This record gives sequence, C-alpha cells and structure tokens, in this order.
Amino acid sequence: QQQVKQSPQSLIVQKGGIPIINCAYENTAFDYFPWYQQFPGKGPALLIAIRPDVSEKKEGRFTISFNKSAKQFSLHIMDSQPGDSATYFCAASYTGGFKTIFGAGTRLFVKA
Amino acid sequence: ETGVTQTPRHLVMGMTNKKSLKCEQHLGHNAMYWYKQSAKKPLELMFVYSLEERVENNSVPSRFSPECPNSSHLFLHLHTLQPEDSALYLCASSQEQGTGANVLTFGAGSRLTVL
Repeated sequence: QQQVKQSPQSLIVQKGGIPIINCAYENTAFDYFPWYQQFPGKGPALLIAIRPDVSEKKEGRFTISFNKSAKQFSLHIMDSQPGDSATYFCAASYTGGFKTIFGAGTRLFVKA
Repeated sequence: ETGVTQTPRHLVMGMTNKKSLKCEQHLGHNAMYWYKQSAKKPLELMFVYSLEERVENNSVPSRFSPECPNSSHLFLHLHTLQPEDSALYLCASSQEQGTGANVLTFGAGSRLTVL
C-alpha cells in the first residue's frame, strides 16, 4: 500500500517531443504528489508538485496530470530539450508525515 | 556554503572498517533525512530526525547508526558493512510549514563502495 509504481524505466525522445512519465499509487491517504529531477552527480531536486484537489498543474514546460479516481498521475514535458535529460522520480506523501515514498525513477534522454 | 552539503562525496571501505558520512544543512530546516539510492530501485528512506529526535527508522540494519547532534548536522556511522550496502547515500532536509507539503532539499550524495 505504500508503493508508488513508476513507468517507463527509461525513455528516449527527439528534441521538441513530449515525453510522458506515469505513476500509480494505492494509499488514498497520500495528499501531496511531487516530482523530483536528478542530474548525474547531483541529488534530486523538486521540479513540480500537485495536490489531489486539482486535475492539472503547469509550471513552464512541465505539466502534472492527476486522476484521483484512478489513483494515477503523470508528468508531461512540453517541447523537450537536451538539457531535460535526467532521471525523474515521482513521489507521494501525506500531511503531517515525514515519509515520502518514491517511484523507481525514469531515465530520460532527449536527442538533439 | 548553501543548501545541503555532504562529505565525503566518495568512500571506499572494507567490510571490517568503521567510517562516517556527514551532512550539514544551511537552510534553517527542522528535519533531516538519510535515503539510500540503488540502481533501478526507489529511493529508500532510512532515518528521519525532527528537531534532533529520531522519528522514523525504517528497519535499517544496526550496522548503520545515525546521529543528529543539532538541527544542522546529521551523521551516518558505518561499521562491518556488506558489499550489498554499496550505494549512493543521500541526505535531505525539510521544514514543516503546517501546509502538509513535505518538500525535501537533497545533498549531492556520498557514493559508498564496500569491498
């Protein structure tokens, strides 16, 4: 129940393409869903996050779509660039808790 | 120094050695974490300290021993490790803001290799 399942494991797209990364969760107590971006040699950094009371959130070229009934959420990267090549982690946590549960990560490569 | 700083960045140790990983946060946060990152696996939460008190201990083997002397510093003491403990160890911090959003700021990690 504490798992967050993430797919695909890796993704290659052309520059300008729209990579989509999907995540699913089971625990309905989760109420905060962040995405983290990690470049080689660096720690993960918060990219964008959403709460389950909204179905979509956009920040620049990054969009989270959230389907509460299906317990799924996804990250879309519009007009992807080679600089977006990184590993992306979805995650989930709940109010008052210190435990953030991470997905296994998606390694994205954007070809120039 | 800004953010979360981890030292050393790389560590190679034998199975009988004793070593420590150090983490320092310069953000004024009140919670600190140790995560283990292994290839193709989710980040695994090991320990959480809130206001210098341990609040989470995720069934971590006793060969890993955390220490949080104050809200800015966190250590992970290592002894008699196994080769399967080789991984990237990430330190993170957060500030409870009453909104429920647990936003983590990570350090760059300490890459541990156990021979």
